[in-house]
Amino acid sequence: QVQLLQSGTEVKEPGASLKVSCKASGYPFTRYYIHWVRQAPGQGLEWMGIFNPRDDTTSYAQQFQGRVIMTRDTSTDTVYMQLSSLRSEDTAVYYCSRDAAFGLFDPWGQGTLVTVSS
Amino acid sequence: QSALTQPPSASGSPGQSVTISCTGTSSDVGGYNYVSWYQQHPGKVPKVMLYEVTKRPSGVPDRFSGSKSGNTASLTVSGLQAEDEADYYCTSYAVSNTWVFGGGTKLTVL
Repeated sequence: QVQLLQSGTEVKEPGASLKVSCKASGYPFTRYYIHWVRQAPGQGLEWMGIFNPRDDTTSYAQQFQGRVIMTRDTSTDTVYMQLSSLRSEDTAVYYCSRDAAFGLFDPWGQGTLVTVSS
Repeated sequence: QSALTQPPSASGSPGQSVTISCTGTSSDVGGYNYVSWYQQHPGKVPKVMLYEVTKRPSGVPDRFSGSKSGNTASLTVSGLQAEDEADYYCTSYAVSNTWVFGGGTKLTVL
């Protein structure tokens, strides 16, 4: 079945960088965009950006411009999200999700908990 | 890129209907028919309930419906059931291939 499997829990110090992976299976990897969404503890969903695995094109939310990079490895059907200059406010669960039909975010990965703390 | 505006809470009794609004601008909700709604139970992954304003993915009960007028989209849940109690988020396509979420609405079934 269609599935997105994310990397595990991370603990980072302020100023460090983060790289979360999202491995796709059960569908043609390059056919669908991947979104990244995060959710801080007790807060709402926040859209971070979108990645096209077919041609590496990206679009990032303004608030993450300059700090986020999304990449892929087609040999393993994996998309990566890197976030730099981490601060405590970046503590959140990070999700990847496939865009199955222009705004139909389905499925979602299981989420990756990232804690930024000294 | 400002978040879409949703009421923080909504409630209704079992069997009743409740409507949750999602207000944006002409650059997002009002400009495109690409509004989706997501249900999230505590500790769980979000689940899509509606996309392209009114479309229901397979498996979503027809008690869930959507509409849009101007810069405001709405999610209506009819025949409320206990399992509908959750957080609901809208999202919309915006300019330059970006998306924006609403702040979320906590739906309580009384």
